[in-house]
Amino acid sequence: EVQLVESGGSLVQPGGSLKLSCVASGYTFSNYWMDWVRQTPGKSLEWIGEINTDGSKTNYAPSIKDRFTISRDNAKSTLYLQMSNVKSDDTAIYYCTRPHYYDGYSFAYWGQGTLVTVSS
Amino acid sequence: DVVMTQTPVSMSVSLGGQVSISCRSSQSLVHNNGNTYLSWYIQKPSQSPQLLIYKVSNRFSGISDRFSGSGSGTDFTLKISRVEPDDLGVYYCGQGTQYRTFGGGTKLELK
Repeated sequence: EVQLVESGGSLVQPGGSLKLSCVASGYTFSNYWMDWVRQTPGKSLEWIGEINTDGSKTNYAPSIKDRFTISRDNAKSTLYLQMSNVKSDDTAIYYCTRPHYYDGYSFAYWGQGTLVTVSS
Repeated sequence: DVVMTQTPVSMSVSLGGQVSISCRSSQSLVHNNGNTYLSWYIQKPSQSPQLLIYKVSNRFSGISDRFSGSGSGTDFTLKISRVEPDDLGVYYCGQGTQYRTFGGGTKLELK
C-alpha cells in the first residue's frame, strides 16, 4: 500500500524558513517523480512544483518565485520542501503527492498533509 | 497560467440521483504528445483529495463505474450516477498539460 507521511509543519514568522519532509513507503520511491501541492484555508488547491526521479531536475509554479526548493533523498525514500522568506499567503496545508503510473501529470496518491501557519 | 473554471460552485442531490459537474479550461488541454491531461478529484470532509479520473476518462484503481469523465479540448464533464452518501464532498478538476492548475471546486451536498 502506498503511503506518504508529511511532517515539519508549524507556526513560522513572516520572512522565516521551514523545511517540510515526506516519507514514502509501499512502492519504489526512486522510480517516480514527486510533487508538492498546497491548500490554503477555505480555498482551492495550488501546485507548488515537482522533482524528477534522481533529483536532478525540478519545475516550479511561476507563482512560487524561487522561494521554495524541492529535493529528495532516494536512500531515505524522503521528499523535502525547503521554504524561505515565507509570507502570510503561504499559510496552508502542504501535501506531498505521487503521480499515477500512466499519467505523470495527475496526483494519484496524497499524504495526510502538514499545516504551515505564517504569522507574527 | 491555464485557468480552470468549474460550475456549479455547489449543488445538492438526492441519494440515488445523477449529477454533472462542468470544468472548462482557458486554453486547450491537448498536450504536444497528443494526450489530454485532465483529472478529477474528490475531497471528503477532513480528508486529503483523492484521484477519481485521469486523462479525461480513465477511472483510478478502485473507483466505481458510477463515476465517468468525458470531454475534449477545453470542455470537460464529470458525471456521477446513483449518488451514494460517500460521494459527498468537494470535487476538483485539474490539468497537467501546462504546469498544473486546479478548478475552484464544486461542493456536492445532500438535498
